[in-house]
Amino acid sequence: GENVEQHPSTLSVQEGDSAVIKCTYSDSASNYFPWYKQELGKRPQLIIDIRSNVGEKKDQRIAVTLNKTAKHFSLHITETQPEDSAVYFCAASSSSNTGKLIFGQGTTLQVKP
Amino acid sequence: NAGVMQNPRHLVRRRGQEARLRCSPMKGHSHVYWYRQLPEEGLKFMVYLQKENIIDESGMPKERFSAEFPKEGPSILRIQQVVRGDSAAYFCASSPPAGRSTEAFFGQGTRLTVV
Repeated sequence: GENVEQHPSTLSVQEGDSAVIKCTYSDSASNYFPWYKQELGKRPQLIIDIRSNVGEKKDQRIAVTLNKTAKHFSLHITETQPEDSAVYFCAASSSSNTGKLIFGQGTTLQVKP
Repeated sequence: NAGVMQNPRHLVRRRGQEARLRCSPMKGHSHVYWYRQLPEEGLKFMVYLQKENIIDESGMPKERFSAEFPKEGPSILRIQQVVRGDSAAYFCASSPPAGRSTEAFFGQGTRLTVV
C-alpha cells in the first residue's frame, strides 16, 4: 500500500526565514497531495493542496511543488511568522475519492521571534 | 454549515468498557472517514464509509473495533473492551460524493483516554 515519508521531524527557524518540508510517496498512482496544519489539541486544517497534473501551486506565503518522476513533494513557507508554529502533515491519496489519505509522520515547526 | 461534528470531544473509559464515538458529516457529504492519531504521531486511516456501506476498512484493527454509517443518524466508531493502547485522538472527516469537490474536512476529534 501507499507509504508517505516526511522530513524533517522538527524544524526551527527564525522569524522571517523560509521553511521547507519534504515528503516522498511510494504509490505512483497517487494523484492528490494535501498539506495540513495542526495546532496543539486542534483538528488538522488544510492549508494547500496540489494535484498530479500541476507542478507547483502558490497561495500567498505558502507554496507546494510536486515532482511526479521522483515521487516527492515539498511545502515552502516564506517570511515565517510565530503563528506559523504548528505541526505540519503531508498526505497522499490514490483513490478517486480523496478522503482516504495516507499521512506523513508530521513536522513540528517552531518559528522563533 | 456547521462543519463536521464529533462528540464527545473527550471520553474517559476504564479498561474493558466500551467506547462509542460519533461523527456527523457536513451537510451534503456522503463519505465519512475515521482516522486515529496516537500521541505525537501522524494520522492513520482506519475506515471509509458511505451510507449503510463500509467501503474500505483496511486500517481497522481486526478485533474490538467496528464502524457504521446508518441511513439515518451519525457515523459511529465503536471500540469494545478498551485497553490503554486505545488512548488516542480519533478524527472523523467527510467529503462530498465523488466527482464534486476533493477536500476532506476534519472534525474536532474525540480524545479517548483509557484508565
